[in-house]
Amino acid sequence: AQSVTQPDIHITVSEGASLELRCNYSYGATPYLFWYVQSPGQGLQLLLKYFSGDTLVQGIKGFEAEFKRSQSSFNLRKPSVHWSDAAEYFCAVGPNTGNQFYFGTGTSLTVIP
Amino acid sequence: DVKVTQSSRYLVKRTGEKVFLECVQDMDHENMFWYRQDPGLGLRLIYFSYDVKMKEKGDIPEGYSVSREKKERFSLILESASTNQTSMYLCASSPAHEAYNEQFFGPGTRLTVL
Repeated sequence: AQSVTQPDIHITVSEGASLELRCNYSYGATPYLFWYVQSPGQGLQLLLKYFSGDTLVQGIKGFEAEFKRSQSSFNLRKPSVHWSDAAEYFCAVGPNTGNQFYFGTGTSLTVIP
Repeated sequence: DVKVTQSSRYLVKRTGEKVFLECVQDMDHENMFWYRQDPGLGLRLIYFSYDVKMKEKGDIPEGYSVSREKKERFSLILESASTNQTSMYLCASSPAHEAYNEQFFGPGTRLTVL
């Protein structure tokens, strides 16, 4: 069965510092992988997605993620965090059959001045 | 701009009431989804629909039902609300056929059952 693990429940970084959010997946076939961001009181917004090709994927707001099949990981990175990046981040794996996505439990990011 | 809208941002109901949560999308998407979001549990799928009048159970369908009479509208129904259904409810939609298509989310409805 598909599953997604985000091992970090909460991360605090200083503004301007680099960021890496971890995501590990369990999937039987070629995964379709997504990162979403949820600002307080809002729905989820897609940051980036991977389904084939180059394993380094660029997204919006300066984020990127790297797919590593050998590690079953799809970690999200940003070289310099802004205060507006404070939010909750969700990793998800897309459907192999049917239409069901599987989401991780989320990582809450706090940015300190 | 593509949009998924939900009928209420905040809702307070009493135990035993019948509750309707409405979701409308303007993107002509075939697939629509209802999730609940709870701290530490992430998003859990309640039901989804891949066509008008079609529905599939997700991971936690107990205590919920859904209705999709029109392509753009997907309703979540709590037949008899209970306090353990206090949660954030998120609706999403996506186009059919391509597994890598993203889901588009509404702003959510925070439901409190007293």
